[in-house]
Amino acid sequence: GNSVTQMEGPVTLSEEAFLTINCTYTATGYPSLFWYVQYPGEGLQLLLKATKADDKGSNKGFEATYRKETTSFHLEKGSVQVSDSAVYFCALSNRDDKIIFGKGTRLHILP
Amino acid sequence: NAGVTQTPKFQVLKTGQSMTLQCAQDMNHNSMYWYRQDPGMGLRLIYYSASEGTTDKGEVPNGYNVSRLNKREFSLRLESAAPSQTSVYFCASSEQLASSEQFFGPGTRLTVL
Repeated sequence: GNSVTQMEGPVTLSEEAFLTINCTYTATGYPSLFWYVQYPGEGLQLLLKATKADDKGSNKGFEATYRKETTSFHLEKGSVQVSDSAVYFCALSNRDDKIIFGKGTRLHILP
Repeated sequence: NAGVTQTPKFQVLKTGQSMTLQCAQDMNHNSMYWYRQDPGMGLRLIYYSASEGTTDKGEVPNGYNVSRLNKREFSLRLESAAPSQTSVYFCASSEQLASSEQFFGPGTRLTVL
C-alpha cells in the first residue's frame, strides 16, 4: 500500500540556518507528492507539490525534488526565518487512492 | 472565495451531549473529508465523501457519523460525546479523490468534559 515516512521532530534551528526535513514514500505507480505547512492555530495549507519524477516544487524559499530512484521528497530551505516555525507534513496522492499524510515535523526557529 | 469554512470555531461539551460540526466549500469540489488532530498524533481521517451521495469510513470512524448534504456541505455528528473525542477537527475538500491536493478549513477546537 501507500505510505509516507518523515523525520520526527521537533527540529530546532537558529535563524538563517539551512533546513532539511526528510520524507520518503512507498507507493505503486507514480504518485503526486506534496508538502503542507500548518502555522499555529491554523489549518494545513499547501506549500509546494511535484507531480512527476525529477520535478522540483518551490515556494517561499522552500524546495523539494521528486526523486523516484530514492523514493524521496526532502524539504529544504537555504536560510530559515523565525516566521517559518510551524508543523510540516509530507503527503502523497496516487491515482487509485486519496491523499496520505505523514505524521508531521514540528520546526522551531530561534532568533 | 471563502474556500473551506467550518463552524463553530470552538465548542465545549459535557460527556454524553451531541453536536454537529458544519463544513462548507465553495470551490465546486467533488470530495470532502473530516480529520481529527491530537497533540503529537498528526492527522487521522475520520470519514470522507468521494462524491455527492457517497460516504466512507476512514481510520477512526467510531463515535462519529457524517452527512454529505449536497455538493458544498459535509457535516460531522457526535451522537454521544466522550472525553476521548477532545481534539481539533479539520474539514478538507479536493477536486477529486485521487491525485488531488486538499484544501483545509481553519478547524474546530472541541473539548469534552
